[in-house]
Amino acid sequence: DTAVSQTPKYLVTQMGNDKSIKCEQNLGHDTMYWYKQDSKKFLKIMFSYNNKELIINETVPNRFSPKSPDKAHLNLHINSLELGDSAVYFCASSQGLAKGYNEQFFGPGTRLTVL
Amino acid sequence: QKEVEQNSGPLSVPEGAIASLNCTYSDRVSQSFFWYRQYSGKSPELIMSIYSNGDKEDGRFTAQLNKASQYVSLLIRDSQPSDSATYLCAVSTYYNQGGKLIFGQGTELSVKP
Repeated sequence: DTAVSQTPKYLVTQMGNDKSIKCEQNLGHDTMYWYKQDSKKFLKIMFSYNNKELIINETVPNRFSPKSPDKAHLNLHINSLELGDSAVYFCASSQGLAKGYNEQFFGPGTRLTVL
Repeated sequence: QKEVEQNSGPLSVPEGAIASLNCTYSDRVSQSFFWYRQYSGKSPELIMSIYSNGDKEDGRFTAQLNKASQYVSLLIRDSQPSDSATYLCAVSTYYNQGGKLIFGQGTELSVKP
């Protein structure tokens, strides 16, 4: 029944490692997003995909690479993890850009801790 | 100037009172406005969306939008302790800019029994 799901919920890893976070939505939405929430709780867009096509890349280091195998899935791969990557990463989805209204629904988040 | 500004709080109100949360935004062409509620350790939950000037009511929540003043607010009537959370204001400009939401820093609300 979960609308937007993410795995894993927690991720603890060492600096320099590579890790992936997966996101799936069963809402039939066309557009998916990755947001990062830092330690001060500020939520900021990273990427947006519409029907598997990248449409937003918000000056994110190229160590971060999103991939959308189909419109229900959006994964985030992070290479060479750094301490500053520690944050909560949220996936979200919305009905689609053409619909105009863009209500976004968030997944439960993945808390990434880089040691 | 931040794109979306909120008072960080904490805003403390007694149970049963009206909580008033405010948000201003800098981009005049913003089209869509949202209020999210985020409990500690949880994800943002959409509680209100508003697209045109005026008031929009949903249960105990009323969103108010004034595009001329670039101001959006959320009123919570009959506040309950369960309303204690951080409230995030979010703004979206043209949908063809990828639909990204720009968030304020959030207002922490505490409702005292």
